[in-house]
Amino acid sequence: AQSVTQLGSHVSVSEGALVLLRCNYSSSVPPYLFWYVQYPNQGLQLLLKYTSAATLVKGINGFEAEFKKSETSFHLTKPSAHMSDAAEYFCAVSEKGGGNKLTFGTGTQLKVEL
Amino acid sequence: EPEVTQTPSHQVTQMGQEVILRCVPISNHLYFYWYRQILGQKVEFLVSFYNNEISEKSEIFDDQFSVERPDGSNFTLKIRSTKLEDSAMYFCASSEGQPSSGNTIYFGEGSWLTVV
Repeated sequence: AQSVTQLGSHVSVSEGALVLLRCNYSSSVPPYLFWYVQYPNQGLQLLLKYTSAATLVKGINGFEAEFKKSETSFHLTKPSAHMSDAAEYFCAVSEKGGGNKLTFGTGTQLKVEL
Repeated sequence: EPEVTQTPSHQVTQMGQEVILRCVPISNHLYFYWYRQILGQKVEFLVSFYNNEISEKSEIFDDQFSVERPDGSNFTLKIRSTKLEDSAMYFCASSEGQPSSGNTIYFGEGSWLTVV
């Protein structure tokens, strides 16, 4: 069964520093991968997704993620953190041809400090 | 930008009572979902709905849960007899096609259910 692992339930960075949020997947075939963000008291918003068109995917708000099959990873990065990036970030996976659901990771809470 | 809307945003109910959570998916979408997030835990899939029937459900989605699309726009989740452990944020979502084909699932802002 497919799954995703997010290392680090809490990540803290300084404003202007690099953001790196880790996601590793477990799937029998390379899946489709998604990053969602949840701001306080709001729903889930899609940041970006990997659908095998390109391994480096650019999303909203300056975020990007790189699919690395050899490492079964899809880490999320942003070169320079902003205070408004403070939120919870979820990695999710959908197995190709595998039905209708997304399987989410446990989430990473990003804190941005001055 | 089209969005998924949910009502109520917050509901408090007595244990054993029935609850209906309502959703209006994005209008041209064909697949509809309910997910839930218990406080401090990850988002979990409950059920997907396509062509007026359940297409997939998780083991969480037992006999106390049901879904319905009573008209052309609404999609509801009913919990028949609520338990304390049903307290969670319930997210409605929709998509044009299946996520297993790379389609994006769009989520609403959630309905926070508190069972007392």
